[in-house]
Amino acid sequence: SQQGEEDPQALSIQEGENATMNCSYKTSINNLQWYRQNSGRGLVHLILIRSNEREKHSGRLRVTLDTSKKSSSLLITASRAADTASYFCATDADSGGSNYKLTFGKGTLLTVNP
Amino acid sequence: DAGITQSPRHKVTETGTPVTLRCHQTENHRYMYWYRQDPGHGLRLIHYSYGVKDTDKGEVSDGYSVSRSKTEDFLLTLESATSSQTSVYFCAIRQASSYEQYFGPGTRLTVT
Repeated sequence: SQQGEEDPQALSIQEGENATMNCSYKTSINNLQWYRQNSGRGLVHLILIRSNEREKHSGRLRVTLDTSKKSSSLLITASRAADTASYFCATDADSGGSNYKLTFGKGTLLTVNP
Repeated sequence: DAGITQSPRHKVTETGTPVTLRCHQTENHRYMYWYRQDPGHGLRLIHYSYGVKDTDKGEVSDGYSVSRSKTEDFLLTLESATSSQTSVYFCAIRQASSYEQYFGPGTRLTVT
């Protein structure tokens, strides 16, 4: 079963606008990750936020985490056409241990129109 | 691509035939994973490995087996392919010191 669920399923914006995607999950986590997938390619890791962090930045990306609501958001500022991709959140299904596994959501398809 | 290759990249096979997909990495990472990606389901973990000859099942392991006889290779086998196994298969690796996973380019498998 999916641990993370992204919302919305699809998002279409104009270049230069900000894009916000949300992720909700069900059980306690150690950390939450966001990945990007361009059409026909493998996933690329974007950012990781630990359960004791509330906000993290990386370039034009801003991730927030609210463990009380079991939710995270990914904000892409000043979007570009090259940001067009599917975005996935991923959570660790098991707490701790060396056999670390991720559970992925179904993704948000972001389209940035020139 | 973190030195990960998958072969073949595309394959069409018939129901009932065995199929083996190969994931090869060049950086000696301990952890390797096989996922399948289907519309409406996102990525789902099939099997993973935490060392040579050390493997375990994921969420959707039925109908699949894996083997890892060398650090660099992680093989996924469909013993008798079914149409429900038509999918895109991704291999991923993880460094022991971090949580991020790095993905290969994928294998598109069609079972007719």
